[in-house]
Amino acid sequence: AQSVTQLGSHVSVSEGALVLLRCNYSSSVPPYLFWYVQYPNQGLQLLLKYTSAATLVKGINGFEAEFKKSETSFHLTKPSAHMSDAAEYFCAVTTYSSASKIIFGSGTRLSIRP
Amino acid sequence: NAGVMQNPRHLVRRRGQEARLRCSPMKGHSHVYWYRQLPEEGLKFMVYLQKENIIDESGMPKERFSAEFPKEGPSILRIQQVVRGDSAAYFCASSMPGQDSGNTIYFGEGSWLTVV
Repeated sequence: AQSVTQLGSHVSVSEGALVLLRCNYSSSVPPYLFWYVQYPNQGLQLLLKYTSAATLVKGINGFEAEFKKSETSFHLTKPSAHMSDAAEYFCAVTTYSSASKIIFGSGTRLSIRP
Repeated sequence: NAGVMQNPRHLVRRRGQEARLRCSPMKGHSHVYWYRQLPEEGLKFMVYLQKENIIDESGMPKERFSAEFPKEGPSILRIQQVVRGDSAAYFCASSMPGQDSGNTIYFGEGSWLTVV
């Protein structure tokens, strides 16, 4: 079984500052990992994914995440926050099996201070 | 290249009525997920379906809720005898599992159910 934990339900950073959203996973087999972003009253949009290729994954809007097996982590970062980054961010985990459902973390709300 | 289509976007039902939410997956996708999101909460897995087959329904409430994904047509999430606690956003996502896709799922815009 897989699970994912997002540390910090709410993160606030200043515009231009580093964004770091934490995600730790648990999986008995090699995982596939995802970050999604949700803007108010909208569906979830895929930011980036890790599927056992390069451990540093680059996504849209300047975000990237690094898969660290030894730490069972997949933290999301962006060097310089923009006001438009304010949203809810979800980390998710699944496996290679088509029978494996995708499990989401509880989400982290990112606020950007002017 | 239409994405995942959900309808209706907004639905109001009185207590005791039935709600039917529809989801058309992305072209070429064979698998559908339904998730529920309550206000200020995360996404809760409900059910994972393949055409004419339920793969995993471990997140579905035991009563009043059912889901199907027929050979032809959209996937349907059906809620019978709705109660106020069913008020939530219901999101559908689709995928085409396989090594190349990494089992990536793509979401629709959601259906917002309000029970009055």
